[in-house]
Amino acid sequence: EPEVTQTPSHQVTQMGQEVILRCVPISNHLYFYWYRQILGQKVEFLVSFYNNEISEKSEIFDDQFSVERPDGSNFTLKIRSTKLEDSAMYFCASMERYEIAKNIQYFGAGTRLSVL
Amino acid sequence: AQRVTQPEKLLSVFKGAPVELKCNYSYSGSPELFWYVQYSRQRLQLLLRHISRESIKGFTADLNKGETSFHLKKPFAQEEDSAMYYCALIGLTGGGNKLTFGTGTQLKVEL
Repeated sequence: EPEVTQTPSHQVTQMGQEVILRCVPISNHLYFYWYRQILGQKVEFLVSFYNNEISEKSEIFDDQFSVERPDGSNFTLKIRSTKLEDSAMYFCASMERYEIAKNIQYFGAGTRLSVL
Repeated sequence: AQRVTQPEKLLSVFKGAPVELKCNYSYSGSPELFWYVQYSRQRLQLLLRHISRESIKGFTADLNKGETSFHLKKPFAQEEDSAMYYCALIGLTGGGNKLTFGTGTQLKVEL
C-alpha cells in the first residue's frame, strides 16, 4: 500500500539554524499538508498546499516557515531560523484529488525536530 | 473557530469490557468528524468518518449534532485496541479542509 514518506525521522539542530523537512506524498495525490505536534499537546494544522500554492495557513505558519514542491515528488517544509519552541513532531499528509469529497488525508510517520 | 475536546487523556479498560472514548466539538457550520488512531510507533491512520457510518475493527461512532458529540464506542475491547485515539473535525462551511484535532485519548486495554 502506498505511504507518505518523511525524512529524516529525527532532526537535531541548533537554535537559529535553517532546517528543511522532507516529505514524499503518495504519487497521485494533489493536496498536501503540514501539521505539528509539540510534546504533550494536540496535533495542529500548519499549512495546506494545492496547485503549487498555499491554500490555507495557520497563525503558527509565520514568515519563518515556507513550503515548496521543488519537483514532482517532494514536498518540503523549511524553517528559516529555528527557535526552541519549534521543537515538535512534524507530520506531512496528502490527499488524492478524488478523495477531496471524502476529506481523507494520509499521514506520514513524522519527523521529530529537536532544537537545542 | 472550530474546536475538538477529548476530556480523557487516558482510558484504561479490561479486555472484553465496553469502550467509549468521548469527543465533543464546537463549530458553527456543518462539520465532518473523524477518528484517527495511532498505534505504538506507527503513523496516524484514519479509523472512522461520520459520513460513512461504517464499523471498523468493531468501532462505531455516531454524530450527535444536538450534543455536538462524536463518541467512539466498541462493545468488547481487545488487547490490540491499545493505542492513541484522536478525534478530528473538518469544517465544511468555509473551513477549508484542514483537520482540527483533539488532544487525544490513550486507550489501554488490560488483560
